[in-house]
Amino acid sequence: RKEVEQDPGPFNVPEGATVAFNCTYSNSASQSFFWYRQDCRKEPKLLMSVYSSGNEDGRFTAQLNRASQYISLLIRDSKLSDSATYLCVVNMLSGGYNKLIFGAGTRLAVHP
Amino acid sequence: DADVTQTPRNRITKTGKRIMLECSQTKGHDRMYWYRQDPGLGLRLIYYSFDVKDINKGEISDGYSVSRQAQAKFSLSLESAIPNQTALYFCATSDTLAGDSYNEQFFGPGTRLTVL
Repeated sequence: RKEVEQDPGPFNVPEGATVAFNCTYSNSASQSFFWYRQDCRKEPKLLMSVYSSGNEDGRFTAQLNRASQYISLLIRDSKLSDSATYLCVVNMLSGGYNKLIFGAGTRLAVHP
Repeated sequence: DADVTQTPRNRITKTGKRIMLECSQTKGHDRMYWYRQDPGLGLRLIYYSFDVKDINKGEISDGYSVSRQAQAKFSLSLESAIPNQTALYFCATSDTLAGDSYNEQFFGPGTRLTVL
């Protein structure tokens, strides 16, 4: 079983739509959680951290459910510029340091 | 100017050749990392370094070696390249924060390596 699992997509949605991505992680000792965004042929960049109480940044809302080991990202009012791959990332203690475990990503394509 | 740079950006080589990928950063971070990315897989850690004197193997270090020449430079070598090392390679850096509970990593633009 992969340590971080995501639906690869693609999610094809029209502009203005609301879309949600889910992610599950296997290690209950995981400490912190993130969503990174990766544009085609580019490097990953941090989109937002995910806090236990849930957090929002503009059109983006992230939720964490530790009991179910589940993370979500909701994008409202999708823009063409939101088209990218979204990586679910878990920070966990391993071998004496906090390392990042990356999911394979969920691809989003927003069309006019 | 980019904070994390990688050279070369693209490289095609043949099986058995020695290849070096270089990474430089101007962020002043102590920690540097090398990852590879393959289609359908998440980024996988090859090596990481917490300072110039600290080098550690990641989950897929076989066939690779690294050198931390300075705080700002971290290079990855493939001693004898093989076709299954064809991948997109990323260098990343992160700061050392108190408690080490938050670990945002900043990535270079990547090197696309093809081994024939």
